[in-house]
Amino acid sequence: EVQLVESGGGLVKPGGSLRLSCAASGFTFSSFTMNWVRQAPGKGLEWVSSISSSSSYIYYADSVKGRFTISRDNAKNSLYLQMNSLGAEDTAVYYCARDRTTVDSPFDYWGQGTLVTVSS
Amino acid sequence: AIRMTQSPSSLSASTGDRVTITCRASQGISSYLAWYQQKPGKAPKLLIYAASTLQSGVPSRFSGSGSGTDFSLTISCLQSEDFATYYCQQYYSYPRTFGQGTKLAIK
Repeated sequence: EVQLVESGGGLVKPGGSLRLSCAASGFTFSSFTMNWVRQAPGKGLEWVSSISSSSSYIYYADSVKGRFTISRDNAKNSLYLQMNSLGAEDTAVYYCARDRTTVDSPFDYWGQGTLVTVSS
Repeated sequence: AIRMTQSPSSLSASTGDRVTITCRASQGISSYLAWYQQKPGKAPKLLIYAASTLQSGVPSRFSGSGSGTDFSLTISCLQSEDFATYYCQQYYSYPRTFGQGTKLAIK
């Protein structure tokens, strides 16, 4: 059974940093592009970042470029999101999600999400 | 970035009704279009990909159509568990983008 479990969320002050993790199991993690998607309270879904299976290709939303860094450790079946210079606009539930196939694909499995709250 | 626009933003319907949600892309995306269902407090669930292909395990009352810039999601006979928010998403190019969502509520 495919499972994605996020962790690392919490309360952080404006300007602070946080590192999210996503532990994957039940599939060959090293074969899939992985993604972060966030959802601000009461708002819609916003794609944040994607990383290809071997980390060769990385993409960011303009809203986080230069502040967030996506990475993965295929040996540990884990996905990460390092978030720096956080602002109130980054307050959201952050989901990790798997690409359905190996090329240009929607997201077929999602974690339960981890809440990041940026507030003083 | 490709902008995805859904309509309506909200919709009221009754169990047994047939409903259609539309999604328009700001430029052509071929059939690289997915639909997701999200219930409160839960992660989104993939319903349809490639504009019209049902994800495994999704009931056949859900269907999708369209290509290029105009797409639709139809639920043929609403069940109580279908009341949720629906999102379209393009995966033709980066940045991946979602529609703003359509909240389907019980009338």
